[in-house]
Amino acid sequence: DVKVTQSSRYLVKRTGEKVFLECVQDMDHENMFWYRQDPGLGLRLIYFSYDVKMKEKGDIPEGYSVSREKKERFSLILESASTNQTSMYLCASSFIGWTEAFFGQGTRLTVV
Amino acid sequence: AQSVTQLDSQVPVFEEAPVELRCNYSSSVSVYLFWYVQYPNQGLQLLLKYLSGSTLVESINGFEAEFNKSQTSFHLRKPSVHISDTAEYFCAVSDGGGGAQKLVFGQGTRLTINP
Repeated sequence: DVKVTQSSRYLVKRTGEKVFLECVQDMDHENMFWYRQDPGLGLRLIYFSYDVKMKEKGDIPEGYSVSREKKERFSLILESASTNQTSMYLCASSFIGWTEAFFGQGTRLTVV
Repeated sequence: AQSVTQLDSQVPVFEEAPVELRCNYSSSVSVYLFWYVQYPNQGLQLLLKYLSGSTLVESINGFEAEFNKSQTSFHLRKPSVHISDTAEYFCAVSDGGGGAQKLVFGQGTRLTINP
């Protein structure tokens, strides 16, 4: 089975902290994605990557950056966490020319 | 840019009743369409997908969706729901082209089954 693993289910961080959310997939997928999920807004794309060291902005990249040094790992970085970044973060992966994306369990981040 | 609209944020139904969750999308070009389900405290799982061919697609647990190009809709239906169907359902669309295809999601519909 395809597995997308997010390093934490729950995180609590302080305003101004630098926060790293890690995602690892085991299916040799080229594409990896970070989404943010908020009630009433659905999932919104933050960043995605189609190859190692390649990244593209999604719809809401402000306040975030990403890193993809290895094919299986895609990290989301909050440079200086703020309370409006309190949310559920979902990682996903897929093959190039894919017909299905696979999601991790999500990380619920609270910034206080 | 593509967009997806799920017309109902919450749908309460009684057990064994039929249900329809509505989804409309904006793109007029070739698209792939998906329904994902999120059970409480879990990630998203693919429920069913339309890529090409037959406009009616089915899932293994009794859901079905019909692609209607003229109405740009992809509504999800089930003739008889169970308590275990309680979840949030997301409609999503992507371009039919190659490369890093992004999924654009709707706002989600929370399905609540009452006994």
